[in-house]
Amino acid sequence: GQQVMQIPQYQHVQEGEDFTTYCNSSTTLSNIQWYKQRPGGHPVFLIQLVKSGEVKKQKRLTFQFGEAKKNSSLHITATQTTDVGTYFCAVGGSQGNLIFGKGTKLSVKP
Amino acid sequence: DGGITQSPKYLFRKEGQNVTLSCEQNLNHDAMYWYRQDPGQGLRLIYYSQIVNDFQKGDIAEGYSVSREKKESFPLTVTSAQKNPTAFYLCASKRSAGGDTQYFGPGTRLTVL
Repeated sequence: GQQVMQIPQYQHVQEGEDFTTYCNSSTTLSNIQWYKQRPGGHPVFLIQLVKSGEVKKQKRLTFQFGEAKKNSSLHITATQTTDVGTYFCAVGGSQGNLIFGKGTKLSVKP
Repeated sequence: DGGITQSPKYLFRKEGQNVTLSCEQNLNHDAMYWYRQDPGQGLRLIYYSQIVNDFQKGDIAEGYSVSREKKESFPLTVTSAQKNPTAFYLCASKRSAGGDTQYFGPGTRLTVL
């Protein structure tokens, strides 16, 4: 079935450093979504990418969808302690469900 | 995600007991989903329902059961047949099966003693 690989599994950064997480699929995706889960919380929708080569920005967050629509990345510029959490990519399954990557857990040292 | 509630937030169960987790949404969404999350893992689909009175098994349905008698409610029962039930359970909904964004409830953390 559909799978999406996400790396790295963990990332520890000093506050102010940049952070990037990557998702890859072996098949072409119709779209990809990104979610953030704070420690002890639930996933919260961040953004959806649909178009080949699409780049979207939300303040310090930059989301990219690859030209072949098989990969995506989330980049955070100058991390802050409020960025702590696990970032998931997700793709649509055949039954309307979401198939999640395993997530990248970000920790930020003040 | 503000329109989805799950209760209780924390639940403790003895081995051999069935337990039901509540999920209610007031978003008028047709589709609802149950996911399980284990530490350091992504979310795995347990059951889903695209419309009232209909539901389908997800990837890890064994040991679980659901019902969808009302549009706004999708309770999950964790039965004694589930071998490793301790996990974080998340309910989600979206406007329709073809819709995109899923909205998650706050989750129920189940611990089997």
